Amino acid sequence: NAGVTQTPKFRILKIGQSMTLQCTQDMNHNYMYWYRQDPGMGLKLIYYSVGAGITDKGEVPNGYNVSRSTTEDFPLRLELAAPSQTSVYFCASREGRSRDFYGYTFGSGTRLTVV
Amino acid sequence: AQTVTQSQPEMSVQEAETVTLSCTYDTSESDYYLFWYKQPPSRQMILVIRQEAYKQQNATENRFSVNFQKAAKSFSLKISDSQLGDAAMYFCAYRISGNTGNQFYFGTGTSLTVIP
Repeated sequence: NAGVTQTPKFRILKIGQSMTLQCTQDMNHNYMYWYRQDPGMGLKLIYYSVGAGITDKGEVPNGYNVSRSTTEDFPLRLELAAPSQTSVYFCASREGRSRDFYGYTFGSGTRLTVV
Repeated sequence: AQTVTQSQPEMSVQEAETVTLSCTYDTSESDYYLFWYKQPPSRQMILVIRQEAYKQQNATENRFSVNFQKAAKSFSLKISDSQLGDAAMYFCAYRISGNTGNQFYFGTGTSLTVIP
């Protein structure tokens, strides 16, 4: 089925470890986003991309990096994991046409725990 | 700054009854979109309903409807004939219009319980 695929679904990291959260979409969407959702909170934007080769910071980018080498993939990299990065991470995409009224298509999320 | 406020952390409703979830937002923009997303225990975010700010008519999708009051910056969600499958976390979201990477701003969510 078409959509946004995130892997892994769950992960436990030790402080200082690194990992990459994978995100792939097969809808040829231009715009892709990474959000984090902390307990009892709404989603906060980490990074976004408006197309291959273009990325920009969101509200909470510290401790993360992204790349967008293809339209389909938008991986999120954590270099030195910290307990404050314990959260659920969502990748999302949208087409980005002019007068774009459409909402996001979300992935199913990655639950990350840093211990 | 754009902010979205959901003042009801938790709500409950009897099956088949009607419930209204509140949302207010703060913006200086005149052209924007508003959304309600549903997040069941599976964590998947599902678009429930959306509204364009320039439209005065309230959006409706089957049992879901909104009461959009632009002057008051209010965007409440009404769920009619509530079903057990409606139990979830509901997020109100706002986005400025335009062909840019403009992000969504989310509220903190309302947890809805449906009582059989």
